[in-house]
Parts: sequence; C-alpha cells; structure tokens
Amino acid sequence: NAGVMQNPRHLVRRRGQEARLRCSPMKGHSHVYWYRQLPEEGLKFMVYLQKENIIDESGMPKERFSAEFPKEGPSILRIQQVVRGDSAAYFCASSPGQGSTDTQYFGPGTRLTVL
Amino acid sequence: EDQVTQSPEALRLQEGESSSLNCSYTVSGLRGLFWYRQDPGKGPEFLFTLYSAGEEKEKERLKATLTKKESFLHITAPKPEDSATYLCAVPSGGGSNYKLTFGKGTLLTVNP
Repeated sequence: NAGVMQNPRHLVRRRGQEARLRCSPMKGHSHVYWYRQLPEEGLKFMVYLQKENIIDESGMPKERFSAEFPKEGPSILRIQQVVRGDSAAYFCASSPGQGSTDTQYFGPGTRLTVL
Repeated sequence: EDQVTQSPEALRLQEGESSSLNCSYTVSGLRGLFWYRQDPGKGPEFLFTLYSAGEEKEKERLKATLTKKESFLHITAPKPEDSATYLCAVPSGGGSNYKLTFGKGTLLTVNP
C-alpha cells in the first residue's frame, strides 16, 4: 500500500479519556501535516511536522493537543481529556518535501466520536 | 485574512450535463491552488495543482483553470461516479507554502 495510512479509522472515547491517532506517510515522504474537519466546516490546518521536529503548530489548540513524528514509527496526534467538541474527522497528509509548494496527499482519516 | 470561497455549495446535474464549479480566493502572493475530490467517509484525493494565471490542467472529464482571482473546475459530460465533494485549497498564512486553507467544497451529485 503506497498511500498514507491512518489508524484507527474510527475511534470512540468518553469525555476525559485520551485519544491517540496514528499516521504513516507515503513511502519516501518525510513531511506530515494534520488537519481537522468539523461537521459543516472545511478542513483546518493543525500542525506540520518533519522527522523529530515540529515545524508549525499554529493551528493546534493550546491545551490538550500534542503531535509528534519520531525518528522511527508513525506520526501521532494525541488528544488528552477529550471533550465532545473534539468529535471530528482528523486527516493526515504527507508530502515529499522537495521544496517550493509540495502537493499534500491525504489519508482516509480517523473519525473521533466523544461520548 | 486569506480566504477561499467555493460556489455553488451544492450542484445537481443530469448525466452528460456539463457545468463548472468556482473557487475564488484572496491570498497575498499565490503559491499554488489545489483541487481535491472527497467521497463520503474518505480523505481528500488529489486532482490538480495550478501555479499561475492562465494555466490549465485536464484529467478525464475534468479541466481546471486559473485566473488571478479564481479557479474553475469544468466537468464535461459528467457520469454518476463523478458525484463527490470537490475542494479547493491554497497555501496561506504568512508566506507559508504548506499551510493549506480549504474552501467548504461543492457537493456535486450526478443523476443517471
């Protein structure tokens, strides 16, 4: 499978629990982006990472949200103490990082439901 | 603030009935415009990138064009399988070439 992979595809959490969303970029891609899609809204940028570095997290809520992209393994978006307003589809995208404006290729998304 | 506006919000066509979707943008220094297709429950699927006014790209029944203020996605003789939400996006936010700002999309339904 050469595409961006995300898991789980669906995640149900109760208020106050933690959610961990995983993203494996396309083969050969070293840049990862996370976006959130709330119901009736467009996709919103959250964070941009390269291996072991957070490049831009200007779209991340200041509290409870964190992201990482370790040297080995997938990128992780972590949401602590989830609230109902966190219910959304979370998409990961990757690009090769060849400079100028890269095309971002998206994964299938993780749909988070907070009960 | 950078903005992307898509119209119409929804469009119903009969199979074979050609039409166009619009994406207008306000951004300082265009560094590309992207079109994606999104099916229900799936992630956006890349279609086209346009970089400069006057540029056109084609793929099967789709053709994307770009001016200094807007882009059009022309759909020629659509088929039911073209039904999807079509999204456009531009890199924006302080000279960023990676932080995509998306429109809310046009939901296209093609009836057989």
